[in-house]
Amino acid sequence: KAGVTQTPRYLIKTRGQQVTLSCSPISGHRSVSWYQQTPGQGLQFLFEYFSETQRNKGNFPGRFSGRQFSNSRSEMNVSTLELGDSALYLCASSSEGGTEAFFGQGTRLTVV
Amino acid sequence: EDQVTQSPEALRLQEGESSSLNCSYTVSGLRGLFWYRQDPGKGPEFLFTLYSAGEEKEKERLKATLTKKESFLHITAPKPEDSATYLCAVQDNANFNKFYFGSGTKLNVKP
Repeated sequence: KAGVTQTPRYLIKTRGQQVTLSCSPISGHRSVSWYQQTPGQGLQFLFEYFSETQRNKGNFPGRFSGRQFSNSRSEMNVSTLELGDSALYLCASSSEGGTEAFFGQGTRLTVV
Repeated sequence: EDQVTQSPEALRLQEGESSSLNCSYTVSGLRGLFWYRQDPGKGPEFLFTLYSAGEEKEKERLKATLTKKESFLHITAPKPEDSATYLCAVQDNANFNKFYFGSGTKLNVKP
């Protein structure tokens, strides 16, 4: 069974640009969550999608947005990038009613 | 808001020297407590889920336990390949689509 796949693995962007990250969950999983991980703040929850609907949102500015498609794949978008957005962005998937979340390898975003 | 605190921040052990990592939590109603292992530059790898006080789970040299306020990850006779950051997370019943993570314990096992 394939795991959670995130693309791309690495990205370098310039301040002010926008970026889109992609996440394909484990087959059959309909819940996809996104997290930002930085050395200073640890893992912080961005948002969670289930059946194309955002069910939960963390405390991040509106520049961070996401969506989920009918095949459960999800994308995360960050607009007007700032230096502080440099981080490892992690996606996790879980089954309906399930508790465990399984993470992808992450996308390392560097903003210069 | 739910909170998770892990200690120590870093732990250095000699190979074979057993120890424990701590995760204390504050949550309105615990749905589950989770332990993950994370290697540098990689995503967290799921280890255990604990649901109620008194529960224990084991996997190779690792054993996780849970009380009403904290969880311990016991590492018995660790090997260098156990070196990683260990993360603890909780879900609460009111908001179970979201995990609250601790900042992790970075474990270094020297041969």
